[in-house]
Amino acid sequence: GAGVSQSPSNKVTEKGKDVELRCDPISGHTALYWYRQSLGQGLEFLIYFQGNSAPDKSGLPSDRFSAERTGGSVSTLTIQRTQQEDSAVYLCASSQPGTGSLSGANVLTFGAGSRLTVL
Amino acid sequence: GNSVTQMEGPVTLSEEAFLTINCTYTATGYPSLFWYVQYPGEGLQLLLKATKADDKGSNKGFEATYRKETTSFHLEKGSVQVSDSAVYFCALKATDKLIFGTGTRLQVFP
Repeated sequence: GAGVSQSPSNKVTEKGKDVELRCDPISGHTALYWYRQSLGQGLEFLIYFQGNSAPDKSGLPSDRFSAERTGGSVSTLTIQRTQQEDSAVYLCASSQPGTGSLSGANVLTFGAGSRLTVL
Repeated sequence: GNSVTQMEGPVTLSEEAFLTINCTYTATGYPSLFWYVQYPGEGLQLLLKATKADDKGSNKGFEATYRKETTSFHLEKGSVQVSDSAVYFCALKATDKLIFGTGTRLQVFP
């Protein structure tokens, strides 16, 4: 697609429910990132997928969070048993393949985000 | 580990004032450095970047120079406009993932 598409754009859920957030990256982009932006906070790295390599999950805040990327394209971020502190905007970004400092692999294109509110 | 430190905001300026937003980093190897901007109601977008020491990234009147000796990448603009009001994020990419600073909110008043 022309850009990174995220859905839903807004999600309100009750504490304890599970939620799934979807990201459809730009076609051909092999790298995919999930970040979380809380009110008054910066961008918190969650997870990073690069091609067929094992994902970097070092930013996931707890075992209630998980993500998968099927077929090297669409990714789903799942939050189980949601808590109020999970309320945030969840941002997805993708980048081109390639290595080296001059490649497009260093430039991320962000989606508009999914705003999650846990009541 | 790799990290980015930005000055806390908000930064409040009058139109046509000079802007500096400080950013310093800690990284192994030779990272690429970036400034991303988030305008009100919009998604994050790349503002400028520099990939090696002494490089200067520039865009829309903004500039930042990659200073390896001081591990800094400060963002500057000579004359800000109201339309520059946004949140600015400094970021680095060393070997893999992109690491962001906490963001600095800029408010420009006429």
